[in-house]
Amino acid sequence: GESVGLHLPTLSVQEGDNSIINCAYSNSASDYFIWYKQESGKGPQFIIDIRSNMDKRQGQRVTVLLNKTVKHLSLQIAATQPGDSAVYFCAESSTASKLTFGTGTRLQVTL
Amino acid sequence: DARVTQTPRHKVTEMGQEVTMRCQPILGHNTVFWYRQTMMQGLELLAYFRNRAPLDDSGMPKDRFSAEMPDATLATLKIQPSEPRDSAVYFCASGLVSGNTEAFFGQGTRLTVV
Repeated sequence: GESVGLHLPTLSVQEGDNSIINCAYSNSASDYFIWYKQESGKGPQFIIDIRSNMDKRQGQRVTVLLNKTVKHLSLQIAATQPGDSAVYFCAESSTASKLTFGTGTRLQVTL
Repeated sequence: DARVTQTPRHKVTEMGQEVTMRCQPILGHNTVFWYRQTMMQGLELLAYFRNRAPLDDSGMPKDRFSAEMPDATLATLKIQPSEPRDSAVYFCASGLVSGNTEAFFGQGTRLTVV
């Protein structure tokens, strides 16, 4: 029969614009969250993390927002560049437990 | 430059053969994860170790998969016998767990079972 792969949501953004990638998590006990970037043929690479006692954290060109009430996490990338094209994963864990990944979002940066 | 090292990077094997994948975690990291990535299932956690002891291997098919840490510098994932459905990219990641920190991933082993 026909195999069906994961349908990764795709976000297409023009170079220079801001990108917002969203993630919903299910475990209300999760207290630590990470965003990873995965380029083709490579392993996931850490971008930024946030703990549950915060609702916002900023890095270089990236900001993570956490809304624990609705169990939602977002990654904002400012001035998106072609090198930002990749699949982005959110991951969650609770103290002393495993890191669980979401299904991922593909970011395509157009010139 | 500290990094997680996985070998081999690519492996093609025939169905029924034994496959062993190796991982050298970052020196000093006390937690090691094995993940499998496929188009169908995304990133799945197979097993993880803390201080070399297996903490959770519920994601791993027990009849054919086994994961071990013979010492702090080596983690292995073995499949015996391998099947075509095991074809995937297998990632090892390591980290320090003291109030949670990020896991650092290796480049992965791309396994093809024919």
